[in-house]
Amino acid sequence: QQQVKQSPQSLIVQKGGISIINCAYENTAFDYFPWYQQFPGKGPALLIAIRPDVSEKKEGRFTISFNKSAKQFSLHIMDSQPGDSATYFCAATSTGNQFYFGTGTSLTVIP
Amino acid sequence: DAGVIQSPRHEVTEMGQEVTLRCKPISGHDYLFWYRQTMMRGLELLIYFNNNVPIDDSGMPEDRFSAKMPNASFSTLKIQPSEPRDSAVYFCASSLRGGLRGGTDTQYFGPGTRLTVL
Repeated sequence: QQQVKQSPQSLIVQKGGISIINCAYENTAFDYFPWYQQFPGKGPALLIAIRPDVSEKKEGRFTISFNKSAKQFSLHIMDSQPGDSATYFCAATSTGNQFYFGTGTSLTVIP
Repeated sequence: DAGVIQSPRHEVTEMGQEVTLRCKPISGHDYLFWYRQTMMRGLELLIYFNNNVPIDDSGMPEDRFSAKMPNASFSTLKIQPSEPRDSAVYFCASSLRGGLRGGTDTQYFGPGTRLTVL
């Protein structure tokens, strides 16, 4: 059973546009929600993360929006750039337990 | 810090051979994870350790797979005998789970080992 459901599977955005990737979870015990970015031939790397006590976290062009009641969170990439083209994974975990990853979203930003 | 170190980076072997993948976690991290990534199945957790003790190996596909962590700075994932369907990228990751706020729950991934079984 997929603990974290991610959509869309792939996304194509024009340079300067907004990229939005969504994730949903069921386990209310989850208390940490990171997003990972993976470039071809590399391992995933932490991009940004949020805890459920806040509804939004912003770091540069990257923003996580968190809706605790809906058990959903999303990644927004503002002013998307070709260099943002990568695969993005959402994840969820609770302290002392394993990470559950989404299935990934392949983002392509067209110049 | 050098980050998580994995070796080899690439491995090509023939069906039936034994394959051993190696991982050195970040010093001080007490959790170590082994993942497998394929186009079809995405990123799958195989097994993870806490303080060198296996906690959950339910993701290990079958008895041909085994993992050990003899000490805090080294872990191996072994496949014996290997099969073509084992071809994938295998990642090792480590984390520090102090239960503190901030970035201490982050998993740091190694560069991966690309395994090809012919």
